[in-house]
Amino acid sequence: GENVEQHPSTLSVQEGDSAVIKCTYSDSASNYFPWYKQELGKRPQLIIDIRSNVGEKKDQRIAVTLNKTAKHFSLHITETQPEDSAVYFCAATGAGSYQLTFGKGTKLSVIP
Amino acid sequence: NAGVTQTPKFQVLKTGQSMTLQCAQDMNHNSMYWYRQDPGMGLRLIYYSASEGTTDKGEVPNGYNVSRLNKREFSLRLESAAPSQTSVYFCASIVAGYTEAFFGQGTRLTVV
Repeated sequence: GENVEQHPSTLSVQEGDSAVIKCTYSDSASNYFPWYKQELGKRPQLIIDIRSNVGEKKDQRIAVTLNKTAKHFSLHITETQPEDSAVYFCAATGAGSYQLTFGKGTKLSVIP
Repeated sequence: NAGVTQTPKFQVLKTGQSMTLQCAQDMNHNSMYWYRQDPGMGLRLIYYSASEGTTDKGEVPNGYNVSRLNKREFSLRLESAAPSQTSVYFCASIVAGYTEAFFGQGTRLTVV
């Protein structure tokens, strides 16, 4: 089955700096890569996603890049704010599969 | 429109007891999932149902059973609870493959 590795497990940045979280996946047939944000005590919520026919997608301060050859994708958050502090999960779904496999998460702390 | 609703929100069980976690969605989604979340382990898939009438094992199915009662409801049963099943359980639903997963608010289960 699919295996998703996520790094780093914790990340601290100063407010206003950028944050980058990286994930790798094992199944070359995977074609959907969402990112979820989970605030303390809350449920995970989708913040951005990308499909395998797209190399990059941006939504305001958040962007995701995908390198299919290397089988890795990354989340970029620019101009970080204290409200960006949360746990972020990457995930992947294989072609023809209904299994959504998650990475182990990155705890992002934005220091005011 | 309540989205995905899980019951109960909190539960304490004694080792060996059984219980059923309930999940219902009102978004007419086809696929439903059960995940468990443990510190540092991310979200691990227990079972999923790609469509009404089908269920499949995920990454960590041992000790659990599921029932897709109808299109709206997907229940998770612990037949003989063990301390290792202490976790936060999330139900999720997806309208179709490669789209946003909507999560319930979670059930915090403690087995003593």
